[in-house]
Amino acid sequence: EPEVTQTPSHQVTQMGQEVILRCVPISNHLYFYWYRQILGQKVEFLVSFYNNEISEKSEIFDDQFSVERPDGSNFTLKIRSTKLEDSAMYFCASKAPGTAGQETQYFGPGTRLLVL
Amino acid sequence: GENVEQHPSTLSVQEGDSAVIKCTYSDSASNYFPWYKQELGKRPQLIIDIRSNVGEKKDQRIAVTLNKTAKHFSLHITETQPEDSAVYFCAARGVRSGTASKLTFGTGTRLQVTL
Repeated sequence: EPEVTQTPSHQVTQMGQEVILRCVPISNHLYFYWYRQILGQKVEFLVSFYNNEISEKSEIFDDQFSVERPDGSNFTLKIRSTKLEDSAMYFCASKAPGTAGQETQYFGPGTRLLVL
Repeated sequence: GENVEQHPSTLSVQEGDSAVIKCTYSDSASNYFPWYKQELGKRPQLIIDIRSNVGEKKDQRIAVTLNKTAKHFSLHITETQPEDSAVYFCAARGVRSGTASKLTFGTGTRLQVTL
């Protein structure tokens, strides 16, 4: 069964540095998402992406964040200048096209980001 | 925006007993309610979902019920087994962005099934 993949699995960075988290969604999916989960807390929505543009973003997704689909397979999340509070597990998710019966969002294994 | 509340935060049951986790949502326009199971350090995995035009759905030992009027939905696990131990998250999907709409998650329930 196809799965969403993410790299790296772990990333340690210094405060103020830029990080890029990478995701390969399931191949025929057209909707892409980033969520984050601070340790021990709930999963929080960051951004959704469809048709090469952002569909919706949360208040967490400020000017320090950006997303890109640089080619036909990758979907990236960039944090320009990391802060301590950006430390979290970042999950990519993707969803198939269509409506009824196609609502499931499939999650990747996550990238654990630690900002020191 | 949507707000999803989930109770209890922790639940301990004996193997073979049933477990019930309850969620409420605030946006009456939400129309899709998945439940995810997350084992320690792993990705959330969908275990069951329900759409707003259905009141109940069952898949073997797992069932979900939805009360649209009261804006709450529940997960029922019967004949619990040790491998059911995990954190369970409910979620609700709004319709603001159409089919791209985000999931809003509850705070999670840590289920412990003891022998």
